[in-house]
Amino acid sequence: EIVLTQSPATLSVSPGERATLSCRASQSISTNLAWYQQKHGQAPRLLIYGASTKATGIPARFSGSGSGAQFTLTISSLQSEDFAVYYCQQYNNWPFTFGPGTTVDIK
Amino acid sequence: QLQLQESGSGLVKPSQTLSLTCAVSGGSISSGAYSWSWLRQPPGKGLEQIGYFYNGDSTYYNPSLKSRVTISIDRSKNQLSLNLSSVTAADTAVYYCARGTGAPYGEDAFDIWGPGTMVTVSS
Repeated sequence: EIVLTQSPATLSVSPGERATLSCRASQSISTNLAWYQQKHGQAPRLLIYGASTKATGIPARFSGSGSGAQFTLTISSLQSEDFAVYYCQQYNNWPFTFGPGTTVDIK
Repeated sequence: QLQLQESGSGLVKPSQTLSLTCAVSGGSISSGAYSWSWLRQPPGKGLEQIGYFYNGDSTYYNPSLKSRVTISIDRSKNQLSLNLSSVTAADTAVYYCARGTGAPYGEDAFDIWGPGTMVTVSS
């Protein structure tokens, strides 16, 4: 089973600042990686798939990059609605797995 | 617009079977080569994919749960079902159904989710 490690566990950022979240896989997963945003009491929302393709309706401030085993989600200018937990997910090898999440909170 | 809605027993006794359904509205569960998944999230913890149904005839189960899980589709009711047997407190979680984006073989991210349903295992 592929293990995903996310860092940092918590990221404290001021509104308007840039946030960079990392996801590392225990082995290469090509670009079969997705990023989700989850707010308290809600289902996850797909942000990025294929490592860098934005899902429908996702604002331009979200971007994804990486391939192989190292991936990054960047939020260029944090808005108040962006404070949430972010998960990465690999779908290269079954069982598909999720990282433990990065909490982005207000500094 | 496609929507998913989970329903089922919110409280299950240990050793019994958890049964949930996911009603699909705004579209057909039979249209296109999409994967249909069940996932869960224990309180305060991360996400785990339980399994998925793909392309009308293939079912994949997480090896950690395979001996206890059955996922099926009822095309006449346009719904997805989950049965998880011999439950313990460790199965307490919010259970979600989700649709894949349409990638080949169901090797996929999930672009549409239900709101989730909380299931508690307790006597």
